Amino acid sequence: DVKVTQSSRYLVKRTGEKVFLECVQDMDHENMFWYRQDPGLGLRLIYFSYDVKMKEKGDIPEGYSVSREKKERFSLILESASTNQTSMYLCASGSTGQASYEQYFGPGTRLTVT
Amino acid sequence: KNQVEQSPQSLIILEGKNCTLQCNYTVSPFSNLRWYKQDTGRGPVSLTIMTFSENTKSNGRYTATLDADTKQSSLHITASQLSDSASYICVVSGVASGTYKYIFGTGTRLKVLA
Repeated sequence: DVKVTQSSRYLVKRTGEKVFLECVQDMDHENMFWYRQDPGLGLRLIYFSYDVKMKEKGDIPEGYSVSREKKERFSLILESASTNQTSMYLCASGSTGQASYEQYFGPGTRLTVT
Repeated sequence: KNQVEQSPQSLIILEGKNCTLQCNYTVSPFSNLRWYKQDTGRGPVSLTIMTFSENTKSNGRYTATLDADTKQSSLHITASQLSDSASYICVVSGVASGTYKYIFGTGTRLKVLA
């Protein structure tokens, strides 16, 4: 079974803090994604990566950066957290080798910025 | 504009009853359509996936249909159980210029009552 894990289920940070969200997958997938999910808006893509040290902006990259130093790990960084970044953050991984382009999701991190 | 619209936004049914959720999309090019189940506070889990040539796909009590001509899909849940209470998300993916995109609907929140 594919396993995607995220470092924290719940996180509370103060405005201006630097926040790191970690995601690890165990299936040797090339592709990894970070989404945020807000009520009524569905999942929105922040960044994705198709290889180590490669990254591509998604639909809402402002205020975020990412790091992929190892194939299994994809980190999302909030350089200076703001209250409008309070959200559920979901990490996903997938392989281009699969015709179905399946995405496997982690359990999510609910981040609250106060 | 690539869009996925789901209806209804929310639904309440009694245990044992059937229900049908709708998904209309305008994504092009189209590769496949997937239904996810997302329990509260958890990441989405794939239920079914259909490609352009498939009309129906079942997974236990879940049956998805796809009409690629009208760009509509439905998810039918038979003999609902309390554990079916969750959000159901329709995701359409497509490949353009070597890059694949996932377009998410905003989901239908289903509540099954005893």
